[in-house]
This record gives sequence, structure tokens and C-alpha cells, in this order.
Amino acid sequence: NAGVMQNPRHLVRRRGQEARLRCSPMKGHSHVYWYRQLPEEGLKFMVYLQKENIIDESGMPKERFSAEFPKEGPSILRIQQVVRGDSAAYFCASSPPSYPPGRKEAFFGQGTRLTVV
Amino acid sequence: AQTVTQSQPEMSVQEAETVTLSCTYDTSESDYYLFWYKQPPSRQMILVIRQEAYKQQNATENRFSVNFQKAAKSFSLKISDSQLGDAAMYFCAYRSTGNQFYFGTGTSLTVIP
Repeated sequence: NAGVMQNPRHLVRRRGQEARLRCSPMKGHSHVYWYRQLPEEGLKFMVYLQKENIIDESGMPKERFSAEFPKEGPSILRIQQVVRGDSAAYFCASSPPSYPPGRKEAFFGQGTRLTVV
Repeated sequence: AQTVTQSQPEMSVQEAETVTLSCTYDTSESDYYLFWYKQPPSRQMILVIRQEAYKQQNATENRFSVNFQKAAKSFSLKISDSQLGDAAMYFCAYRSTGNQFYFGTGTSLTVIP
């Protein structure tokens, strides 16, 4: 069972371009979470999705940022018209559903380091 | 909303000694899960230990153990016989019944040889 897969690992974009970050959750996981981490800081929650539904996007900026988790394929975090302040590591995590009982932790991908130049 | 507080931004410990990292949380739920994650310089988030709130027994994983005080809403991590490889950022996390995860701001642990 492969872990959470994120790609690309590193992404360089010029100001004004679009960044697309992909996340394939672990098999059987129905919950996906996106976090942003600045250097020397903690994880900042962005969005929580289930298949085809956004459950909580309270941590995501209202403009330029969007996320989806389609019925088929990976979850996508899209940042339009990137600015220097978007430079950060973006982590995706997935977790199993609440039922049946079992391990309930979030499993993390290795992150995508976005650099805006 | 639930909050998770780690009041120690930085901690240090001598190699082979024991260190305790503190974590408190605020919730009105009775059934939830608690976790400690480790983030070494590679930035990969690694699960260290998990605790189900309905279990009174404190979880242990080799040199890592927790002191879970449900009434006090406290969930501290004890690392025994500290090793150089334990140096990392440690995050406390809470999973709610709504399947949302809340993370603390982290504690940076330095291990002194």
C-alpha cells in the first residue's frame, strides 16, 4: 500500500503563473487535507476535502487558491497568479474514514516545495 | 473550534537523558484521538505515537510514552534515553469526531551530544 504521494516535490514558478500541486491519498482513505508550512513555522491548515466535496476551506485564502478532490484522480491544490508570499512547503495528508475502528492518524506526503521567483 | 497548545517553542536534552514535551488542548468532545508527530530536517511528517481518548492507559512506543490526562486536557510526550536522531520539530495533533485535525505550533527539540 503506497503512502501519500505528492508531486511535484519541487516547483518553481514566476510571479503571475499558476501552480498546480497534486496529491494521491493512500488507498482506502476518503479524507484529504492540505497544509502550508513556512520555514521555521508550524503547519497551517488550508482545506479538508472528501471525494467531490469540500468539507472545510476556512484556512484557504479567498482569492487565487482553490482545491478539489474529484471522484477519479488525485486531489489538486491550485494557486493562480502566484506571488512571492506563496513560497512555502505544501503538505497533503490523508486519513481513513471514521468507521470501522482502527488507525485514525493522518498520513502525510513528502510535501511540495513551491518557490516563486 | 478545538485548539491545541504547545507552550514550549524550543527544548533541549542531553543525549541519553529524558525530556518531556507538553501539549494541552481545548475541546467539548468526549471521543477523539491525539497524536504526536515528528518532523526531522527532511521535513517528512512521521507519526510517533497515538492515543484514543476512550482508553485510560497511556500509550507507549519503545522509548516514547505519553501522559494523557483527559480531565486536564493534557497530552505530554516523554522521550527516554534521548538519541541524536530524536532531534526534530514535534507537533501535537487532535482529531475531532468531525475528522478534522488540529495541530499545535510545534516544539523544536535539540539533542546535545
